[in-house]
Amino acid sequence: DAGVIQSPRHEVTEMGQEVTLRCKPISGHDYLFWYRQTMMRGLELLIYFNNNVPIDDSGMPEDRFSAKMPNASFSTLKIQPSEPRDSAVYFCASSLDALRNSPLHFGNGTRLTVT
Amino acid sequence: AQSVSQHNHHVILSEAASLELGCNYSYGGTVNLFWYVQYPGQHLQLLLKYFSGDPLVKGIKGFEAEFIKSKFSFNLRKPSVQWSDTAEYFCAVKGNNRLAFGKGNQVVVIP
Repeated sequence: DAGVIQSPRHEVTEMGQEVTLRCKPISGHDYLFWYRQTMMRGLELLIYFNNNVPIDDSGMPEDRFSAKMPNASFSTLKIQPSEPRDSAVYFCASSLDALRNSPLHFGNGTRLTVT
Repeated sequence: AQSVSQHNHHVILSEAASLELGCNYSYGGTVNLFWYVQYPGQHLQLLLKYFSGDPLVKGIKGFEAEFIKSKFSFNLRKPSVQWSDTAEYFCAVKGNNRLAFGKGNQVVVIP
């Protein structure tokens, strides 16, 4: 199993540009999560999907952030327009059944730097 | 919503020393408890988990954690650390269908 795959590993962009982060969950996992990690706030849940449907997006900081899951094997997190305070590591995670006993499996993360 | 507190964000210790990381949570219902580890430059990996049964949980790499319900705690321990245990450790609590992470403990083990 290749695990959760995220791309790109690093992204450096200028303020105002659109940023798209990508995630491929583990095959068969019905839950997909997007987290943001910063020194100040630690790990924050942004949004999660169950069977490709967004369930809880209350952690999405602003309308500049949007996430989609067009199919069971792919999700995107988009920031438009990006701002320097969006700089963080963004993790995608998947789980077989998050409402019961399955742990999360994390991807390697995307380190985003907005200048 | 539940919250998770981890104390002593930065811990520095020598090899063979004992490690204990505290984790307290605030949620009165049924919880599932986790410790995740993030080695430098890597993603988070599950270290151990508690769902029910014996409150003393054994994990990988010699780690264990004890769930004390009356104290709302799930502290992580390792009797003798190695240099390779240098990492960031996150406590996570799942309750009411939400998973909350603590801010992590940065542990540095000096050879």
